[in-house]
Amino acid sequence: GAGVSQSPRYKVAKRGQDVALRCDPISGHVSLFWYQQALGQGPEFLTYFQNEAQLDKSGLPSDRFFAERPEGSVSTLKIQRTQQEDSAVYLCASSSPDRDEQYFGPGTRLTVT
Amino acid sequence: GDSVTQMEGPVTLSEEAFLTINCTYTATGYPSLFWYVQYPGEGLQLLLKATKADDKGSNKGFEATYRKETTSFHLEKGSVQVSDSAVYFCALSDKGGGNKLTFGTGTQLKVEL
Repeated sequence: GAGVSQSPRYKVAKRGQDVALRCDPISGHVSLFWYQQALGQGPEFLTYFQNEAQLDKSGLPSDRFFAERPEGSVSTLKIQRTQQEDSAVYLCASSSPDRDEQYFGPGTRLTVT
Repeated sequence: GDSVTQMEGPVTLSEEAFLTINCTYTATGYPSLFWYVQYPGEGLQLLLKATKADDKGSNKGFEATYRKETTSFHLEKGSVQVSDSAVYFCALSDKGGGNKLTFGTGTQLKVEL
C-alpha cells in the first residue's frame, strides 16, 4: 500500500512569505505527527493529532506555526511570515492506533531566503 | 525531559567489520526504544524496536538490546556491507504523550570496500 506522502518536496520562500506544507498519512492511521529536522540534527517534535484533534502542540516554536487536520486524514502545516531560522526539513509521520512505531514521509525541504 | 544521546560520527568501517553505535537515554517511565535509518536521498525508515527491558530488537542483521540498568540501546551488526552506509538515529517514544518520538542527533556510517 501507499506510504506517507508529503508535498511539495522542496519549497523556497522569501523571508516574510507564508507557506503551507501538506501530509497524506497512511490510510487508516489515526495518529499523525509533524517533526522539524535541521541540517545535521535529529528530528524534533512539533505537534500531534489523533484523528482531527490536535492533542499536543508543545513543540511548535512560535505562534507563526499552525497545523490542522480538519477531517482526520490529510494535515497541513502552515508557517506564517517565514524567517531564515525556519529553514529545515519538515517530516510527517503516521501510526496505527495499536502500534507505537511511526512511518515517515520523505519530508519537505524548506529554504527561506 | 526525555533525551537521547548517541555517539558522534562519522563512523568509517571496512566491509565485513563489526559495528557498534552507542545510544543512551533519559526518560521518565518506561519508553519504547527505536533505531531509525536514513539512506542517502531517502526518508526515515524504522530499523528495529524494543518495548520493554531486556527485549532485543533485530532486523537485517542489526540488533539492539533494551538495557534498563544502563539506560542504553546500542546498535550492533556483526558484518557491515557498503549498502549499510546511512545515518542511524536512536529514538524513544513517550507512551504517555501519544508516542511522540525524541531522537538523538544521528550517527553517519560510511562503509568502504
